[in-house]
Amino acid sequence: DAGVTQSPTHLIKTRGQQVTLRCSPKSGHDTVSWYQQALGQGPQFIFQYYEEEERQRGNFPDRFSGHQFPNYSSELNVNALLLGDSALYLCASSAVNTEAFFGQGTRLTVV
Amino acid sequence: AQSVTQPDIHITVSEGASLELRCNYSYGATPYLFWYVQSPGQGLQLLLKYFSGDTLVQGIKGFEAEFKRSQSSFNLRKPSVHWSDAAEYFCAVGSPSAAGNKLTFGGGTRVLVKP
Repeated sequence: DAGVTQSPTHLIKTRGQQVTLRCSPKSGHDTVSWYQQALGQGPQFIFQYYEEEERQRGNFPDRFSGHQFPNYSSELNVNALLLGDSALYLCASSAVNTEAFFGQGTRLTVV
Repeated sequence: AQSVTQPDIHITVSEGASLELRCNYSYGATPYLFWYVQSPGQGLQLLLKYFSGDTLVQGIKGFEAEFKRSQSSFNLRKPSVHWSDAAEYFCAVGSPSAAGNKLTFGGGTRVLVKP
């Protein structure tokens, strides 16, 4: 079992650009959550996808959007990137009555 | 709204000494409680969790935590620290409606282990 896998590992983008991050959940998991972790802080919940729909959302602007595919994998899209969007983006997967398992994260740097 | 406070930003401990990390939460009912560990540049690894039942829970790597409802606390302990325990530790609270639902994290405690 490969666990939760995220791609890419690192990327650098310019202000104003758009970025797409990808996540494959752990085998048997159908729910994907995304978190943003700024340097020196705890992760903050962005949103969660279940059955290809956004089920919960944290306090993030509409520039942050997502998608879940029929195979349960997910994408996080961020439009009009700001310097403040630089962070480690973590994907977590879960199933009914299981805790969240996290991927290694994608380090996004906006310059 | 739920919240988690980890009062200690940094803790330095000698190898072989005991370790206790504090966590206080705010939640309307008994939540699900978690401790995660993060090595530099890495994702989060679950150390232990509390859902219900025995208030003293055992986790991986020799860690344990005690849920105290009256104090709204869920402190993490380890009797004897190893150099490999140097990392950042996060306490988190989740909704009891589903274990995988939205987690609210504390700000983390960075642990440094002295030889």
